[in-house]
Amino acid sequence: ETGVTQSPTHLIKTRGQQVTLRCSSQSGHNTVSWYQQALGQGPQFIFQYYREEENGRGNFPPRFSGLQFPNYSSELNVNALELDDSALYLCASSFGPGGRTGELFFGEGSRLTVL
Amino acid sequence: GESVGLHLPTLSVQEGDNSIINCAYSNSASDYFIWYKQESGKGPQFIIDIRSNMDKRQGQRVTVLLNKTVKHLSLQIAATQPGDSAVYFCAEGTGGYNKLIFGAGTRLAVHP
Repeated sequence: ETGVTQSPTHLIKTRGQQVTLRCSSQSGHNTVSWYQQALGQGPQFIFQYYREEENGRGNFPPRFSGLQFPNYSSELNVNALELDDSALYLCASSFGPGGRTGELFFGEGSRLTVL
Repeated sequence: GESVGLHLPTLSVQEGDNSIINCAYSNSASDYFIWYKQESGKGPQFIIDIRSNMDKRQGQRVTVLLNKTVKHLSLQIAATQPGDSAVYFCAEGTGGYNKLIFGAGTRLAVHP
């Protein structure tokens, strides 16, 4: 059984650029959630994808968007990058959006630095 | 609340002692509470959870206590080990089990 994998692990962008982060969910999981974790803070919910559609969104602007593919993998896209977007972006997978929260498995994250 | 800046509160304990990490949650309507452990360079790892209809739940070396009256959650770790050194986050489930609100985190430092 493979765990949640994310790529890239680290990347550096400049203000105004766009970035795409990728996530492969754990085997058997059909739901992917994305979280942003700024340095020294707890993760903040960005959005969740289930059956290839957005299923709930946190307090993030529309320049944060996502996709889920038929194999349940997912992408997070951020347009017009700002300095405050520098953070660790965490992907978490689960079986179903209403499953036991304890069965939310996190990847190791993609560290984005915006200069 | 979720943000307290760059300096996490730190709990320092001696190896073998018991640790208690506290958390104040924000939403009275939350019905699911979880503790996560995050080691440096890794994603959060599930420790234990508790539903709002319970006030205590025990796992292996860990106990979670829930006080809904004052919206307080605690994690007790028995016989703390060096491998327990990490940042611990409480999280609450709102609007769906997987759309979690995380607390700010507490760093646990275990000294030999």
